[in-house]
Amino acid sequence: QKEVEQDPGPLSVPEGAIVSLNCTYSNSAFQYFMWYRQYSRKGPELLMYTYSSGNKEDGRFTAQVDKSSKYISLFIRDSQPSDSATYLCAMSGSGGYNKLIFGAGTRLAVHP
Amino acid sequence: ETGVTQTPRHLVMGMTNKKSLKCEQHLGHNAMYWYKQSAKKPLELMFVYSLEERVENNSVPSRFSPECPNSSHLFLHLHTLQPEDSALYLCASSQDRGVGETQYFGPGTRLLVL
Repeated sequence: QKEVEQDPGPLSVPEGAIVSLNCTYSNSAFQYFMWYRQYSRKGPELLMYTYSSGNKEDGRFTAQVDKSSKYISLFIRDSQPSDSATYLCAMSGSGGYNKLIFGAGTRLAVHP
Repeated sequence: ETGVTQTPRHLVMGMTNKKSLKCEQHLGHNAMYWYKQSAKKPLELMFVYSLEERVENNSVPSRFSPECPNSSHLFLHLHTLQPEDSALYLCASSQDRGVGETQYFGPGTRLLVL
């Protein structure tokens, strides 16, 4: 079983839709949860960062962490064509150094 | 643009060649990382350096050899690679090596091994 599971998509939605992206994980030691966005031919860029359980909102983006279910989500409101990218969830928890465990990424396409 | 740069951006090499990937971070960070990103697979951590000291070698074959001469520069030396080593190689940095530190990525080097 993979430590982090993420549906690879692709996910295709019309402009203005609400997008829901999700990851599940198996390691209960994870405490730090991140969402990265990766455009084609670019490196990942940090989008959202959450510590432990709860919600975090930044503009059109909301990150949710449910540690009891080992489930994290990213919601994108009023999606735009510029949101078309691959979204990677990542998490870390224990150990002597900053080891991030990534999901495989979900490819999102927002069409006008 | 992020504060992490990588050169070259694209590289084609034969299995008998020797080449090097270069990463430079302009963020004043103390920790640097090499990742491998293959199609439809999660990013795989290869190496971690903290203050020029290697703290993790994630079971990477010896045909990949990292070098960290100072906290701003990181190299990945490649020799006798295999076609399955074709991938996007990403460099990242963080302020320190501690758990929870945000990692900032470079644009990557797209490597093709023929």
